[in-house]
Amino acid sequence: EVQLQQSGAELVKPGASVKLSCKTSGYTFSNYYMSWLKQMPGQNIEWIGNIYGGNGGTGYNQKFKGKATLTVDKSSSTAYMDLSSLTSEDSAVYFCARLGELDWYFDFWGPGTMVTVSS
Amino acid sequence: DVQMTQSPSYLAASPGESVSISCKASKSINTYLAWYQEKPGKTNKLLIYSGSTLQSGTPSRFSGSGSGTDFTLTIRSLEPEDFAVYYCQQHNEYPWTFGGGTKLELK
Repeated sequence: EVQLQQSGAELVKPGASVKLSCKTSGYTFSNYYMSWLKQMPGQNIEWIGNIYGGNGGTGYNQKFKGKATLTVDKSSSTAYMDLSSLTSEDSAVYFCARLGELDWYFDFWGPGTMVTVSS
Repeated sequence: DVQMTQSPSYLAASPGESVSISCKASKSINTYLAWYQEKPGKTNKLLIYSGSTLQSGTPSRFSGSGSGTDFTLTIRSLEPEDFAVYYCQQHNEYPWTFGGGTKLELK
């Protein structure tokens, strides 16, 4: 059974950084892309970027370049996302989601991590 | 970016009824549209991709149709577990974008 387990909620101060994790199980991590997505209350889900589990190759939504940095640890089948220079606009739920085998849809999702940016 | 517009935002129905949810793209996305279901306490579930292909495990009462800019998710004979929020997502071009969601509520 494919599972994506995300790290717990974060309360961070403006200007700080935070690193979120997504630990996977139930499939061969290095054979798939992982995406990260953002959902603010009442807003559309936004795709942040992808990373390939095999070689760490990345692709980003232009909107999130410089804000998000995606990495993987193949040894632990875990994907990470660093968010930097946090502002209130970064307060949101962040999801990791596996990209499908056949095309660019998201076939398995994590439960999400809530990030709150507040002083 | 391709803008995705879902309608209605809210929909009330009863078990046994059939409902349809619309998703319109701001430009042609061929048939590259996915539908997801969001329920409290559960992870988002992929229902349909490439417009009409049911993901493994999706009940046959769900169907997707459309191409170009206009797409529809139809749920025939609603079951109690179908009351949820539904999202569309275009997977034709970067950056992939989502609709705003349709909340299907129990009448």
